[in-house]
Amino acid sequence: AQTVTQSQPEMSVQEAETVTLSCTYDTSESDYYLFWYKQPPSRQMILVIRQEAYKQQNATENRFSVNFQKAAKSFSLKISDSQLGDAAMYFCAYSAPYGNKLVFGAGTILRVKS
Amino acid sequence: DTGVSQDPRHKITKRGQNVTFRCDPISEHNRLYWYRQTLGQGPEFLTYFQNEAQLEKSRLLSDRFSAERPKGSFSTLEIQRTEQGDSAMYLCASSWKRRGTGAYEQYFGPGTRLTVT
Repeated sequence: AQTVTQSQPEMSVQEAETVTLSCTYDTSESDYYLFWYKQPPSRQMILVIRQEAYKQQNATENRFSVNFQKAAKSFSLKISDSQLGDAAMYFCAYSAPYGNKLVFGAGTILRVKS
Repeated sequence: DTGVSQDPRHKITKRGQNVTFRCDPISEHNRLYWYRQTLGQGPEFLTYFQNEAQLEKSRLLSDRFSAERPKGSFSTLEIQRTEQGDSAMYLCASSWKRRGTGAYEQYFGPGTRLTVT
């Protein structure tokens, strides 16, 4: 069974600085998808970024980018120019292709200091 | 489109009562998923539908849980004889296949928070 591990329960970053959230996963599949979701306090889950395992190029979405290391089964999220609105719980998730379900990590709480 | 909606947003019930939650997906999405999230944890998959067909159920989905999507649009999740351990956030998500890839991006609703007293 696939598993997703987020080893940082909590991270802090100063406003306008850069922070990296870590995620590792375990799978025997060669083709899959990885996602980062953001869940602000008492608000719904929002998709931040997606990475296809068959793509070598790391995905980017504005201030958000990933470092995808397929051999190491590592998928970290970098947030540049952090803003107060980035404060949230961040979840890393795995999906098989033609996906039936997402497998989530336990999450990392990100605090942004002004 | 207003996104995935769920009703009710909060439900307090006494142990042993039955509860039913509703999810309305994004209209063009053919897949609908249910997850359960306990405080401080990531969501755990319960079940999913493609159109009206229920294609997978987790072992977490005991006999007391049943989900339906009768016309391939909205879905309901019913919990019979609720237990205190059922207290959680129940999340619904919907998706469709992104053209040109095998990716199904899931979009989540606000959730229904269930408290069993």
